[in-house]
Amino acid sequence: DQQVKQNSPSLSVQEGRISILNCDYTNSMFDYFLWYKKYPAEGPTFLISISSIKDKNEDGRFTVFLNKSAKHLSLHIVPSQPGDSAVYFCAARWSTSYGKLTFGQGTILTVHP
Amino acid sequence: NAGVTQTPKFQVLKTGQSMTLQCAQDMNHNSMYWYRQDPGMGLRLIYYSASEGTTDKGEVPNGYNVSRLNKREFSLRLESAAPSQTSVYFCASSYSGTGIYEQFFGPGTRLTVL
Repeated sequence: DQQVKQNSPSLSVQEGRISILNCDYTNSMFDYFLWYKKYPAEGPTFLISISSIKDKNEDGRFTVFLNKSAKHLSLHIVPSQPGDSAVYFCAARWSTSYGKLTFGQGTILTVHP
Repeated sequence: NAGVTQTPKFQVLKTGQSMTLQCAQDMNHNSMYWYRQDPGMGLRLIYYSASEGTTDKGEVPNGYNVSRLNKREFSLRLESAAPSQTSVYFCASSYSGTGIYEQFFGPGTRLTVL
């Protein structure tokens, strides 16, 4: 049972345009959400996060939106750059289990020059 | 600062062989984790250690054992490797304070079991 789902395996965007990556979750016990970025042959690196008590968090070109009623979050990258091409994972923290994260399947983002 | 280091980077095993994956962190984090990444499956938690001296099972613990050797080191052991354990393994660590939930990942170990 996949409790965190990224339904788009891949996304292709032109440089300078907006990239929108989506993530859905099913468990109401998640209280914190994170986005990670992963380049080939490297470990995931933290990008941005949001608490369940907020609906938006912004950091430079990256903004995460949370819609709790829809159990949906999205990552917006504006403007997209070729260096943003990577696999993006969303993750959710269990409020009842210290530190544990559940990850989505990942979305491969390709930004074309 | 090296962050999270993992050894080896690559390993090929035959079915039934055993091996230990090593992980160390120098960020004074209390919590450490082992994940595996398979195509289309994201990262799945194998075991975690909330603090030195404690370990708990994650989503996919079967076929694995762990040891939290000290605060810095957390090892993953495959006692009798199977082809289904072919995967990329990531170790991670995190601070255990309230409101800081980011996990820091190592570069991964790519394991092939023939």
